[in-house]
Amino acid sequence: SQQGEEDPQALSIQEGENATMNCSYKTSINNLQWYRQNSGRGLVHLILIRSNEREKHSGRLRVTLDTSKKSSSLLITASRAADTASYFCATEGNTPLVFGKGTRLSVIA
Amino acid sequence: EAGVAQSPRYKIIEKRQSVAFWCNPISGHATLYWYQQILGQGPKLLIQFQNNGVVDDSQLPKDRFSAERLKGVDSTLKIQPAKLEDSAVYLCASSQTGIDEQFFGPGTRLTVL
Repeated sequence: SQQGEEDPQALSIQEGENATMNCSYKTSINNLQWYRQNSGRGLVHLILIRSNEREKHSGRLRVTLDTSKKSSSLLITASRAADTASYFCATEGNTPLVFGKGTRLSVIA
Repeated sequence: EAGVAQSPRYKIIEKRQSVAFWCNPISGHATLYWYQQILGQGPKLLIQFQNNGVVDDSQLPKDRFSAERLKGVDSTLKIQPAKLEDSAVYLCASSQTGIDEQFFGPGTRLTVL
């Protein structure tokens, strides 16, 4: 299975701090994507990083990909209460997108 | 640009009853996906359509679940008969090409009693 596994399962930080979430997967991929899901809502695409890319930025988000270690990290800088959500990594390779179980981030004001 | 539309937003049924969900993807998106998300887990792909053809339905429980995408636009997902373990949020998503980002609808929360 190429299901991504996020770590940690839950993370609680103070507003203004940085949050780092990690994702590990098992097989070769074409791309890895990060999604956010607010409580009781649909998922929102955050960033897509292709297998030949090592780092990508979008606003306060920074994603890295290490294909040799089959791992990715999502860094959210200067977190806000509105960043409270579940964050999922999803991998795409020989099969369609496969999601992990997510990291639950709580940002305390 | 209008997002992915889904209806109903909530549905409560008794086990062994049938239920249907509807999805209208973003205009022009060729690829449509149905996911099942059980509480506390990530979404699991049930079926992927490219236009009106099925690309992947390997995780669709075909004895009780069916889906169609007539005319390659909107889609329906049906469960008949429902089981208790079908209680979940059913998410529809679409993408332009099938290898790019997916846009998700708000989901339908199904409770089977």
